[in-house]
Amino acid sequence: ETGVTQTPRHLVMGMTNKKSLKCEQHLGHNAMYWYKQSAKKPLELMFVYSLEERVENNSVPSRFSPECPNSSHLFLHLHTLQPEDSALYLCASSESGTDTQYFGPGTRLTVL
Amino acid sequence: QKEVEQNSGPLSVPEGAIASLNCTYSDRGSQSFFWYRQYSGKSPELIMFIYSNGDKEDGRFTAQLNKASQYVSLLIRDSQPSDSATYLCAVMNTGNQFYFGTGTSLTVIP
Repeated sequence: ETGVTQTPRHLVMGMTNKKSLKCEQHLGHNAMYWYKQSAKKPLELMFVYSLEERVENNSVPSRFSPECPNSSHLFLHLHTLQPEDSALYLCASSESGTDTQYFGPGTRLTVL
Repeated sequence: QKEVEQNSGPLSVPEGAIASLNCTYSDRGSQSFFWYRQYSGKSPELIMFIYSNGDKEDGRFTAQLNKASQYVSLLIRDSQPSDSATYLCAVMNTGNQFYFGTGTSLTVIP
């Protein structure tokens, strides 16, 4: 399998649930990213991991918790989300923190 | 002021025409500029990137960068219905922070 993969592709959860999004990159990159894409808004950068260390957190609510166990895998743990968190969550990777980013297919999240 | 601004459109062009998409950015020291295409319901895919002033051509696509005026554009020649998508401009600023515009919706009419 090549490129950047994400699972699940679709997720529906209640506000009290706990779930996790998974991203895996097969490109040998050293940086990985989580983005949130909501309708009619720019892509919002949530988290950046470079060489497995988190280097940027744009004041994302604590109900989103990232985990990067190695340079190929990235998780986004979700708990007690709100309906306004419903969006497309995109994972991306790049060779370094300043290179072109390649996106995964995204997880369409709906919070009821 | 937004880091990256694009006209949201929609922009409609007839098949075979040239589609022109524009993007302006606020950080004068920005060095890297990217154009992504995003089909409805899909994730963004990189079309082109440009670092130097001037034009960069790749097939039917030409990226144009003018750092003095702080704009970057994407021209699509011989537009095809399959080019209908949202085009996202992205800029890496002097702090190596990556910012996306809201995207321009393009419709190519057969």
